[in-house]
Amino acid sequence: DAKTTQPNSMESNEEEPVHLPCNHSTISGTDYIHWYRQLPSQGPEYVIHGLTSNVNNRMASLAIAEDRKSSTLILHRATLRDAAVYYCILRDDNAGNMLTFGGGTRLMVKP
Amino acid sequence: DVKVTQSSRYLVKRTGEKVFLECVQDMDHENMFWYRQDPGLGLRLIYFSYDVKMKEKGDIPEGYSVSREKKERFSLILESASTNQTSMYLCASSWTGEQYFGPGTRLTVT
Repeated sequence: DAKTTQPNSMESNEEEPVHLPCNHSTISGTDYIHWYRQLPSQGPEYVIHGLTSNVNNRMASLAIAEDRKSSTLILHRATLRDAAVYYCILRDDNAGNMLTFGGGTRLMVKP
Repeated sequence: DVKVTQSSRYLVKRTGEKVFLECVQDMDHENMFWYRQDPGLGLRLIYFSYDVKMKEKGDIPEGYSVSREKKERFSLILESASTNQTSMYLCASSWTGEQYFGPGTRLTVT
């Protein structure tokens, strides 16, 4: 399985942009890049996903490198409610809907 | 909004007891999943199901079984609970790609 590498933790100031990096150098052509986050005492929630092109939605933006070996989740203005563990996950489109979660990045937001 | 509900938020059981964890989703999703989450080990897939009466083993199925008699309900069964099954259990469902998670059940086996 293609694996992802993320920093264990990051800090941000409230109302500033946050860039959460993810390396996936062994990504294959059929792997989608998914991001989930897990708020304290809750189950994970879907944030965004993409294949090759950059993606935007109401929660975040996903920037994918041209060679697809890395990606960055962008929170445009961090709030205290964005403090969570963020998971970058590769999902093989040929292998059904299974997700393999790694360690994720714990984002701390300072007021 | 998609809703995935789990029967209990907190559960305490004794070693050797049979334990049922229930999960219900209201979006007619084909796929359902059971994970456990432990500090330092992240989320690990126990079992999943792509259809009614269908089940597939995940990464750590030992000590667990599942049941999917109806599309909306996926049950995780601990035949004889042991202390090493103390964990947070998370259920999820999906149509394609995006998974929706329930709030989790924190199970303590004493």
